[in-house]
Amino acid sequence: EVQLVESGGGLVQPGGSLRLSCAVSGLTFSRYWMSWVRQAPGKGLEWVANIKEDGSEKYYVDSVKGRFTISRDNAKNSLYLQMDSLRAEDTAIYYCARTTGDSGIDYWGQGTLVTVSP
Amino acid sequence: DIVMTQTPLSSPVTLGQPASISCRSSQSLVHSDGNTYLNWLQQRPGQPPRLLIYKISNRFSGVPDRFSGSGAGTDFTLKISRVEAEDVGVYYCMQATQLYTFGQGTKLEIK
Repeated sequence: EVQLVESGGGLVQPGGSLRLSCAVSGLTFSRYWMSWVRQAPGKGLEWVANIKEDGSEKYYVDSVKGRFTISRDNAKNSLYLQMDSLRAEDTAIYYCARTTGDSGIDYWGQGTLVTVSP
Repeated sequence: DIVMTQTPLSSPVTLGQPASISCRSSQSLVHSDGNTYLNWLQQRPGQPPRLLIYKISNRFSGVPDRFSGSGAGTDFTLKISRVEAEDVGVYYCMQATQLYTFGQGTKLEIK
């Protein structure tokens, strides 16, 4: 069974930093692109970033470029999102998800809530 | 950026009756490799999204066959042949031809 478990969310002040983690099991992690997708409270879905199997390519939505960094550790089957210079509009549930060239963003974690507030 | 527009935004449906959701993209979703990367996802209340359909019409693992997808180019449709109570939630189309963008979501509710 594929499992993706996010952690690291919480309350942070504007301008602060947070590091999200995603532990993956039930699949060969090193064979897949991975993504972070977020959902503001009561709103729709927004893709945030993705990373190639070996970490050599990374892509970001414009609104987080220069502030967020996606990374992975294939030896630990883990995905990360370093979030710096956080803003109120970054408040959302952040989902970790497997990404393939065929089926797109297919397996999703349960998400971790990030709240940016004074 | 490719903009995805869904209609309707809300769809009250009677149990056992069909339902249909439309999605239009601001530009063609045909990739240079010849594939069209248009997906449909379901998000039940309090749950993460779940992939239903990929590449227009392919059902993902474990998805019931009452869900079907169709379309081409810029216009796509998700159909549920007979709505069941467990289908309540929000449905999103998503393009993966040029990075990823989602539609606004369509809330499916029971009349």
